[in-house]
Amino acid sequence: DQQVKQNSPSLSVQEGRISILNCDYTNSMFDYFLWYKKYPAEGPTFLISISSIKDKNEDGRFTVFLNKSAKHLSLHIVPSQPGDSAVYFCAAKSGNTGKLIFGQGTTLQVKP
Amino acid sequence: EPEVTQTPSHQVTQMGQEVILRCVPISNHLYFYWYRQILGQKVEFLVSFYNNEISEKSEIFDDQFSVERPDGSNFTLKIRSTKLEDSAMYFCASQRTATNEKLFFGSGTQLSVL
Repeated sequence: DQQVKQNSPSLSVQEGRISILNCDYTNSMFDYFLWYKKYPAEGPTFLISISSIKDKNEDGRFTVFLNKSAKHLSLHIVPSQPGDSAVYFCAAKSGNTGKLIFGQGTTLQVKP
Repeated sequence: EPEVTQTPSHQVTQMGQEVILRCVPISNHLYFYWYRQILGQKVEFLVSFYNNEISEKSEIFDDQFSVERPDGSNFTLKIRSTKLEDSAMYFCASQRTATNEKLFFGSGTQLSVL
């Protein structure tokens, strides 16, 4: 089941620069997308979300972009901070459900 | 911020034994979920629970699995006869409403089946 894919297992970025994490999906029925962050020994923590009727959502240093025609979304973190180092999961859902389909995750390392 | 609490954080059991994983969702939430993550794999949906019944389940959630909300606060996942392949991190999550609201996840229970 590869409905949600994060093709980059890891990303390394210098502190202060932009981090761009990518996610692709195949199911055109998905209507809501979320990004979660996960530290070791903790559960996923919600970061930001976007509805399929929008193409951008911004919350502080975090912006999610959605390109429906390409079935692609990305998370931008500007500026990146060492505390942002974690595993980032893209997730998608369709309809009135809490069933999330997760990507494999991308490990972000922000170097001081 | 309110939290979803899971106990125990680690559980080791012998194959064939029953285990119960416990969760205390956020108090005003109405929708409850179990997810799991096998080492090196994706986080996978297991089951959703609303109004004291299962609303959706995955193909992973077979007859060996059951969920219960025995009182007003706890939400449990029972595995009747554990298999080696049940070894995973199990996450409980809760949600206030079903309409595009974020899920709050607990810290997980690491289940090791020997």
